[in-house]
Amino acid sequence: AQSVTQPDIHITVSEGASLELRCNYSYGATPYLFWYVQSPGQGLQLLLKYFSGDTLVQGIKGFEAEFKRSQSSFNLRKPSVHWSDAAEYFCAVGSSGSARQLTFGSGTQLTVLP
Amino acid sequence: NAGVTQTPKFRVLKTGQSMTLLCAQDMNHEYMYWYRQDPGMGLRLIHYSVGEGTTAKGEVPDGYNVSRLKKQNFLLGLESAAPSQTSVYFCASKASSHTYEQYFGPGTRLTVT
Repeated sequence: AQSVTQPDIHITVSEGASLELRCNYSYGATPYLFWYVQSPGQGLQLLLKYFSGDTLVQGIKGFEAEFKRSQSSFNLRKPSVHWSDAAEYFCAVGSSGSARQLTFGSGTQLTVLP
Repeated sequence: NAGVTQTPKFRVLKTGQSMTLLCAQDMNHEYMYWYRQDPGMGLRLIHYSVGEGTTAKGEVPDGYNVSRLKKQNFLLGLESAAPSQTSVYFCASKASSHTYEQYFGPGTRLTVT
């Protein structure tokens, strides 16, 4: 069965600094990978997704993620963080079964300092 | 177009009480899901439905029941609430079996005392 590990429970960065959130997955075949963001009091919103092709994918709000098969990783990056990026971020892997379920990581809480 | 909505937003129950959470989507999606979110555990799938009249168990189904009598609605029931069911509950939907992207509701915060 697939699984997702987000090693960092909480990350704090200063506004304007760069950001990298780590995600490692376990999946037997080519993975379908996702990053979601959950702002305080809100549901989850899709930031970006990787299915195949170019290993660097662009998403909304200036985020990007790089798929590295050799490291089983799909890290999320942003070159310059804004205070509004403070949220919880979830990495997810999609199964290839008929239902195409998502398995979520435990999340990384991002705090942005002024 | 409201997307996915959930009612209520907040609820406090006493142990042993019952309640139903309602999820509604106006996107004509086939699939609907109920997750619970607990600190440090991410989202765990409770039950899901692949179409009107169908339901299936997810990762943590015990203590919950669901029904999908209408395509747009997915109900989550707690027959006898326990403190371990204190959590934030999210509903999600997706268009079909061919897609992965799920659309989430804003969540329901449930406290069981």
